[in-house]
Amino acid sequence: NAGVMQNPRHLVRRRGQEARLRCSPMKGHSHVYWYRQLPEEGLKFMVYLQKENIIDESGMPKERFSAEFPKEGPSILRIQQVVRGDSAAYFCASSPGGVQGQLWGEQYFGPGTRLTVT
Amino acid sequence: GENVEQHPSTLSVQEGDSAVIKCTYSDSASNYFPWYKQELGKGPQLIIDIRSNVGEKKDQRIAVTLNKTAKHFSLHITETQPEDSAVYFCAASMKRQNTGFQKLVFGTGTRLLVSP
Repeated sequence: NAGVMQNPRHLVRRRGQEARLRCSPMKGHSHVYWYRQLPEEGLKFMVYLQKENIIDESGMPKERFSAEFPKEGPSILRIQQVVRGDSAAYFCASSPGGVQGQLWGEQYFGPGTRLTVT
Repeated sequence: GENVEQHPSTLSVQEGDSAVIKCTYSDSASNYFPWYKQELGKGPQLIIDIRSNVGEKKDQRIAVTLNKTAKHFSLHITETQPEDSAVYFCAASMKRQNTGFQKLVFGTGTRLLVSP
């Protein structure tokens, strides 16, 4: 039973380029969460998606960042026109979901994508 | 506000000793409290969690306690081993009023070093 998969594991981009990070949730999980982790810091929530829906994007910058989770294929976190401050580890987590407003299932994390902007 | 405080930031123990990491949270409506272990270069791994309807949960050498009145919870590792060395994160669920969505807010992490 494969866990959460993320690729690429490492990504180097020059300032102004686009970064696309992919996440495949665990089998049977329909909920995906993206987090950002700066060096020596904790994880900061960015966005929560279900298939074809963004449920909560309160932690995601309004500009340059977008996320999707299409009906088919992995979830994508896209960062346009990257800047040095975007350099971080980006983690995806998945859960089996739950009833809105109730406890949801445990979140399981992928190995992360380490983005370096030069 | 959304805040989870975690202490200590670093913890060094000898193999076989116990280690305790403490977290406090701000939202009295929080009802789910997981703990994650993160090794260098890897993603966080869920090691234990507790929900607000229980006060303590154990899994072999790991235990978590929850005091809802005081809004704090702790991770206890007994008989520590060198392979327990990692960064440990606590988290608490926090509910957004307009969506009902519960998100996890993480502490800043504790770097545990177990010396042989």
